[in-house]
Order: sequence, then C-alpha cells, then structure tokens
Amino acid sequence: SQQGEEDPQALSIQEGENATMNCSYKTSINNLQWYRQNSGRGLVHLILIRSNEREKHSGRLRVTLDTSKKSSSLLITASRAADTASYFCATDEPRLGSARQLTFGSGTQLTVLP
Amino acid sequence: DGGITQSPKYLFRKEGQNVTLSCEQNLNHDAMYWYRQDPGQGLRLIYYSQIVNDFQKGDIAEGYSVSREKKESFPLTVTSAQKNPTAFYLCASSRHPGTQNTGELFFGEGSRLTVL
Repeated sequence: SQQGEEDPQALSIQEGENATMNCSYKTSINNLQWYRQNSGRGLVHLILIRSNEREKHSGRLRVTLDTSKKSSSLLITASRAADTASYFCATDEPRLGSARQLTFGSGTQLTVLP
Repeated sequence: DGGITQSPKYLFRKEGQNVTLSCEQNLNHDAMYWYRQDPGQGLRLIYYSQIVNDFQKGDIAEGYSVSREKKESFPLTVTSAQKNPTAFYLCASSRHPGTQNTGELFFGEGSRLTVL
C-alpha cells in the first residue's frame, strides 16, 4: 500500500532559492517523517513530526503538518547544490497485530543548480 | 562507529538461484526491516522483525525469506520464486518495535541485486 504521496515528483531550482515539497496521506497517523536519499545510497532521517504538532524546524528545514487535510510539507530554505537528492515522506500506519510500520511515498527528486 | 552494514553492495544472480543479503547492526536496536526499492519509486516493505526469533511479512513478502536468530543480524534470502528480483534492497533498524509509535529508521547503504 502507498500511504504517502509526494508532490511534485521532480523539482529543479537555483542555488539559494527555497524548495517546497508536499506529501499527502490517507489514514490516521501517529507521526510523519521525512527522509533524504542521495543517488544509490541509503536513506537518512531528516525530521519527525507528531500528529499533535503543526510545525517543526531543524536547521534549514521546516516541516508542517495539517491532519485535517492529511498533508505535510517540507521546506528547505537557502538551498545548496549539496541538497540535491530524493526526499521521501513516510507515515506510520497500523498493520496486522497492531504494530505500526512506516510506509513510504514515491519521493520528490530535487535538483539544485549551482 | 554504530550503524548498519549491508553486504554485498552489488550482487549478480542467474535465474533460478537463491541469494542471501546480509544485514548487521550494532545499534542494539530491537526492530529490523527489509525494504525493496525499484527505480524512481518509493520503498516497499518486505519483512520486519520486532524481536529476536520473530518476524512478520510486509507488503511484498512472496519469494523472500528471512531469519532473526541474533539481535544484530537480519539476513534476507531472495529465492527463485521471486519473479522480478532485480532491485535495490535496503535494510533498516529502529529502537522501537513500532507497537504504538514508529520511531526513526536507520538505514544501511543498500544492496543492488541484478538477475542476469
């Protein structure tokens, strides 16, 4: 099942600009997480926002969560060429036996041009 | 340094062969996971284990098998029953088993399997 869906699928911006990626999901969640993946590498956790939180900051990252609209956004300010990567949102959803596991969206490919 | 080690990084397999991908973690995490990633797509859960000697099927378990005999190890076998095994495989672990609240996942660097 695909819980989170990112938008846009691809985004190309100039260095110094801000990048905004969106994520929509379908079921109730306890938390939503954002990950980054450089080409051919593993994923790296960026930030986790709980369902009772509306906004969270970490360095140049700002994440918002709107549970009424079942959506989240990731803002990267003052982007750098090193921010070029794929960004995934992941939501925890209930599975059989009550354990909740993360379900990942298909990602946004961000390219930051120098 | 603490982390997750996957091996091999690249693996080639002939059709009809089983292959085993290794995943070892020294983070003392209880939960471990295997995901499959196809080009341009997100991750799909194959199997997960919340505790030693126990594991559950994920969304795409058919053609795969796992074992969890030790806390630090969670190997994945891709069997000949898996119809389209060429993919990028990612192993992850988390401190919390996910019974009430799924925490941060720590990922290995992945294993790329190609079937010839």
